Amino acid sequence: QQQVKQSPQSLIVQKGGISIINCAYENTAFDYFPWYQQFPGKGPALLIAIRPDVSEKKEGRFTISFNKSAKQFSLHIMDSQPGDSATYFCAASRGRNTDKLIFGTGTRLQVFP
Amino acid sequence: NAGVTQTPKFQVLKTGQSMTLQCAQDMNHNSMYWYRQDPGMGLRLIYYSASEGTTDKGEVPNGYNVSRLNKREFSLRLESAAPSQTSVYFCASSEARDMPQHFGDGTRLSIL
Repeated sequence: QQQVKQSPQSLIVQKGGISIINCAYENTAFDYFPWYQQFPGKGPALLIAIRPDVSEKKEGRFTISFNKSAKQFSLHIMDSQPGDSATYFCAASRGRNTDKLIFGTGTRLQVFP
Repeated sequence: NAGVTQTPKFQVLKTGQSMTLQCAQDMNHNSMYWYRQDPGMGLRLIYYSASEGTTDKGEVPNGYNVSRLNKREFSLRLESAAPSQTSVYFCASSEARDMPQHFGDGTRLSIL
């Protein structure tokens, strides 16, 4: 019940395309869903986060979509750029309690020009 | 702005050796964390400190100890290193007891 399943493991997208990364969770008590971006050799960085009281949140080219009934959420990167090439992690927690933050296994995104 | 600084960046140890990983942040954050990252497993919380003087266990604390020396510094100690502790270790910080916002660049630790 504590798992967060992330797919795909790796993703190759052409410049200008849409990158889509999906996550699914089992624990219905989760109510905070952040995404992290990690470049090679660097630590993760908090990218965007959503609560289940909204179905979508957009920040620039990055959009989180949330489906509470399906217990799924996804990250869409519009107009993908080579600079977006990184590993993306979804996560989930009950509230903003960091000791309960469960990470997905990551998606390695490569955007080719 | 340095953000979160971790030292060392790389280290190779022999089984049974001890080592302390150092972390310092210059953002005046209250909360600090230690995570480990292993291939195919995402990040897992080892220990965290909600404020100076307090520490709590995370998901995988066995084999580790921590010290919140002051508001800036949070160290992670391996008393008797084991090959299973080969990993990339990340320190992070946040303003309050909140999602970890700022991560260091990691310490890549190999235990032979």
